Amino acid sequence: EVQLVQSGAEVKKPGESLKISCKGSGYTFTSYWIGWVRQMPGKGLEWMGIIYPGDSDTRYSPSFQGQITISADKSISTAYLQWTSLKASDTAMYYCARQVTGTNELDPWGQGTLVTVSS
Amino acid sequence: EIVMTQSPATLSLSPGERATLSCRASQSVSGSYLSWYQQKPGQAPRLLIYGASTRATGIPARFSGSGSGTDFTLTISSLQTEDFAVYYCQHDYNLPGTFGQGTKVEVK
Repeated sequence: EVQLVQSGAEVKKPGESLKISCKGSGYTFTSYWIGWVRQMPGKGLEWMGIIYPGDSDTRYSPSFQGQITISADKSISTAYLQWTSLKASDTAMYYCARQVTGTNELDPWGQGTLVTVSS
Repeated sequence: EIVMTQSPATLSLSPGERATLSCRASQSVSGSYLSWYQQKPGQAPRLLIYGASTRATGIPARFSGSGSGTDFTLTISSLQTEDFAVYYCQHDYNLPGTFGQGTKVEVK
């Protein structure tokens, strides 16, 4: 079974750094792009960026470029989303999802990681 | 960046009724790169339809997708209680793969 398992909920203060993870299993991790999607409280889905773990080729949405870093460690089949200085506006649920080769849909999705940034 | 616009924002229907959800792209999107997702409260989104009209594995036949170019439709032929949720379209034609703002299907 193809599965993505994300790290647990985080509570951070403004200005702190954070790295959340997304571990893939049940497929060849290096052969599929992994995307990250933000969902702010009560809002819709926002595409943040995507990484190809095979060679770490990474693309960002202009809306998130410079605000986040996406990386991957193929030796442990894990993708990461990180911030160097969190803001209260980063409070959201973050999902990772595998992009299917060829047709590009996102399937499956991880269970989500809730990030709360509050002083 | 391609902007995806969904309508209506909210659809109030009764179980057994037909639901028709629309998604419009600000520029032409190849039909191969339009997906629909369902999200229930407290859950991650789930893929329903990809390539504009192909049902994902395990998705019931009452869900169907159609359209091409800039106009796409998700139809639920007869709403079941478990179908009341929020539905998002997304294009995967180029980067960023933007989502629509969602349509909430609620019980009338």
